Amino acid sequence: EPEVTQTPSHQVTQMGQEVILRCVPISNHLYFYWYRQILGQKVEFLVSFYNNEISEKSEIFDDQFSVERPDGSNFTLKIRSTKLEDSAMYFCASRGWGGVTDTQYFGPGTRLTVL
Amino acid sequence: SQKIEQNSEALNIQEGKTATLTCNYTNYSPAYLQWYRQDPGRGPVFLLLIRENEKEKRKERLKVTFDTTLKQSLFHITASQPADSATYLCALVSPGNQGGKLIFGQGTELSVKP
Repeated sequence: EPEVTQTPSHQVTQMGQEVILRCVPISNHLYFYWYRQILGQKVEFLVSFYNNEISEKSEIFDDQFSVERPDGSNFTLKIRSTKLEDSAMYFCASRGWGGVTDTQYFGPGTRLTVL
Repeated sequence: SQKIEQNSEALNIQEGKTATLTCNYTNYSPAYLQWYRQDPGRGPVFLLLIRENEKEKRKERLKVTFDTTLKQSLFHITASQPADSATYLCALVSPGNQGGKLIFGQGTELSVKP
């Protein structure tokens, strides 16, 4: 069964450094998402991406965050200058063209630790 | 303000019993409500979706109900097994949100004892 993959599984970085989290969505999917989950808290929406542009973003997704689909298969989340409070699990998700009721498939996540 | 609330306390049940998990929401009129399973350190896995005009949905041992008057969804696992132990998340999609952004509850941890 096709699945969403994410790399790395764990990223440790110093505060102020840039990080890029990578995702390979399911190949024929059209909608891509990033969510995050701070330890012990709920899964929170960050951004959705469709047709090579952001379709919606949350208040969390400020100027320090950016997303890109550089080559038709990868989907990346960049945090330009990490803060301690960016430490969380980051999940990528994708869905097909069946409308909003189509299942979102989540990747296994990247655990980001900012020291 | 908009809120989604799930049982905050962990649910502990005996194998073979039915687990019932609750999801309540306020100040939303969701078009769809979904239930996901999340294992520790893993991403959410989709289980079931129910639409606002549906009262009940079943899939194998799982059953979901959706009461838009009470603003509540119940998630049942019948004949529960230790392998069902996980955190269960409810998530809403607002009407008119074509992007499909999911709004999650905080999850309920289920533990099924043999």
